[in-house]
Amino acid sequence: EAGVAQSPRYKIIEKRQSVAFWCNPISGHATLYWYQQILGQGPKLLIQFQNNGVVDDSQLPKDRFSAERLKGVDSTLKIQPAKLEDSAVYLCASSLEYPQGWGTGELFFGEGSRLTVL
Amino acid sequence: GQQLNQSPQSMFIQEGEDVSMNCTSSSIFNTWLWYKQDPGEGPVLLIALYKAGELTSNGRLTAQFGITRKDSFLNISASIPSDVGIYFCAGLFTGNMLTFGGGTRLMVKP
Repeated sequence: EAGVAQSPRYKIIEKRQSVAFWCNPISGHATLYWYQQILGQGPKLLIQFQNNGVVDDSQLPKDRFSAERLKGVDSTLKIQPAKLEDSAVYLCASSLEYPQGWGTGELFFGEGSRLTVL
Repeated sequence: GQQLNQSPQSMFIQEGEDVSMNCTSSSIFNTWLWYKQDPGEGPVLLIALYKAGELTSNGRLTAQFGITRKDSFLNISASIPSDVGIYFCAGLFTGNMLTFGGGTRLMVKP
C-alpha cells in the first residue's frame, strides 16, 4: 500500500516570497491533516479536512496560509508571503474516518516538506 | 489550548538498558497515542490507548493510559540502536484534533 506522498521535500525561499506544498493521502483515507513542525518541537495542527470540507483550521494563520482539498483527495498548502518564522517541516497526514465519525488519532504521515525562509 | 508536557526532553542510554518516558497534561484525554519519528521522516504510530488504566504492549514497548486520563507513560525494554529517535505522545479528547507533546529524544550508545 502506497503511503502519504508529499512534494517538494525541500524548499528554500526568500522572505515575502510564496511557496506551495502538495500532498496525496493514502487511498481511501477521508481525513487529511497539515501539521507544522518547527525544529525541536512537536507537530502542530494547521488544518484538518474531512473529505473536501474543513473540520478545524483554528491554528492556521489565515492572513498568509491557505489550504484546499479539491475533490476530497489531493491537497495543497500555500504560504504567501512567507516570513522567517515559517521555516519548519510541513507534514501531511491522513487517516480513515472512524465509522461513528470520531477520529482514532491513528494518523499516517508523509515524509514532510522542509521549508527554509531566508 | 491543550498542552502536553513530555519528560525527559532527552535521554542518552547504553544499549540493553530499559527506558521510561512520560507525558502529562492539565486536560483529560479520551485517547493517548505514542509516535516515533526518525530523522527526515514523519512520525509513525507505535501504540494507541483508548481506555483509562489500559496497559498495551507492542514488542519491547509497553504503554499505559493513566487512571486520571491526564497522563501516559511509555517503556522500552532492552534498548537497541534502532530505538534511536524522537518519541512523541499525543492526546485526543473529542472530535479529531490530535495534540502532540514536545518529544523525548532518545540516543542509544552501542
